[in-house]
Amino acid sequence: QQKVQQSPESLIVPEGAMTSLNCTFSDSASQYFAWYRQHSGKAPKALMSIFSNGEKEEGRFTIHLNKASLHFSLHIRDSQPSDSALYLCAVSMRPGTGSNRLTFGKGTKFSLIP
Amino acid sequence: GPKVLQIPSHQIIDMGQMVTLNCDPVSNHLYFYWYKQILGQQMEFLVNFYNGKVMEKSKLFKDQFSVERPDGSYFTLKIQPTALEDSAVYFCASSRDSLNQDTQYFGPGTRLLVL
Repeated sequence: QQKVQQSPESLIVPEGAMTSLNCTFSDSASQYFAWYRQHSGKAPKALMSIFSNGEKEEGRFTIHLNKASLHFSLHIRDSQPSDSALYLCAVSMRPGTGSNRLTFGKGTKFSLIP
Repeated sequence: GPKVLQIPSHQIIDMGQMVTLNCDPVSNHLYFYWYKQILGQQMEFLVNFYNGKVMEKSKLFKDQFSVERPDGSYFTLKIQPTALEDSAVYFCASSRDSLNQDTQYFGPGTRLLVL
């Protein structure tokens, strides 16, 4: 059974800082890797996703995947107050077969120093 | 961006009663999902639904659970009868298709408390 773990559990950084959130997964057959962001009491919102090893950048966010290490990460550049939220990583095993259940981590609570 | 709505936002119910959770998915989406999150734990997949049928369900999707989407109306999760361990936040999600792992869009959740 797929296990997804996130680190750290929480993170507090100053505004403008660069930071990294980490996610490890257990099943090497995993095919799809995503980050969601959830503000308190709101819906989880998809941030970025990746299928292949390597990096993808969108604005201040970069996702990096290393399948051999069973690890992917989210890098946030120039942290802003609006980035304060719970960040969830999610993994899917086999897209394209009519079954694309997501397995989530517990989340990293990300805050900016007030 | 696309929005998924869930009704109600909160529900308190006595153990043994029936409850129906409603989801209004994104209008052109074809795949629908329910996830369950117990306090302090990660969100876990319950079921996905396409073309009027359950495509896949997890071991959390007990016999007391059922899903349907009659005539393009709400996508619903019904629990009958409810048990104490059903207390959780239930998130609905929808996606356009599954062939390319299309993004799943989530609603804000229904917080269910079974007493």
